[in-house]
Amino acid sequence: SAVISQKPSRDICQRGTSLTIQCQVDSQVTMMFWYRQQPGQSLTLIATANQGSEATYESGFVIDKFPISRPNLTFSTLTVSNMSPEDSSIYLCSARERNEKLFFGSGTQLSVL
Amino acid sequence: AQSVAQPEDQVNVAEGNPLTVKCTYSVSGNPYLFWYVQYPNRGLQFLLKYITGDNLVKGSYGFEAEFNKSQTSFHLKKPSALVSDSALYFCAVRGDTGGFKTIFGAGTRLFVKA
Repeated sequence: SAVISQKPSRDICQRGTSLTIQCQVDSQVTMMFWYRQQPGQSLTLIATANQGSEATYESGFVIDKFPISRPNLTFSTLTVSNMSPEDSSIYLCSARERNEKLFFGSGTQLSVL
Repeated sequence: AQSVAQPEDQVNVAEGNPLTVKCTYSVSGNPYLFWYVQYPNRGLQFLLKYITGDNLVKGSYGFEAEFNKSQTSFHLKKPSALVSDSALYFCAVRGDTGGFKTIFGAGTRLFVKA
């Protein structure tokens, strides 16, 4: 399977600041996804990121708060803007292989003080 | 809208006994169904998928799952549980129409006791 390198693995941030999470895939993929997960709980889809088009956001998530870039077929970033403690979570990027499998980055554990 | 239900927060089973982790789904069109596993402090790993073909699919680590269209279920099974199977299991689904997003269930924590 392909491999996603995600960074940072964790960060502690101050309220009101922004954090950009990067994901690098070792092969070209058409579709990438960003999820949020509270420890031990389910994954909530934030947005779908396709190369060459704007990201598609799920209900409850907006571009101003979670801007996403997808400059090419191997890279994507998610920015968590103007952070508040409610944004504390694990953020996961994923990509879909041609055989429909999703593979995931190792996650970014974000704590907002 | 698509959804996934995992009715059990936790499943406890003794090592060597068979295990079942339940999943039901709702989706437009034909379902693409998946099971993923998450071990403590590790990322999600793919276990198996059903897209078409035989209703019983086999996956990694001796797991299998049975697709039941009439009951809209995709239960995960293993004939003989291992302590190392203890983890968090997620059922996931996407439809073959409309968007391409994959939706995950709430997760079921499996405890296998020695």
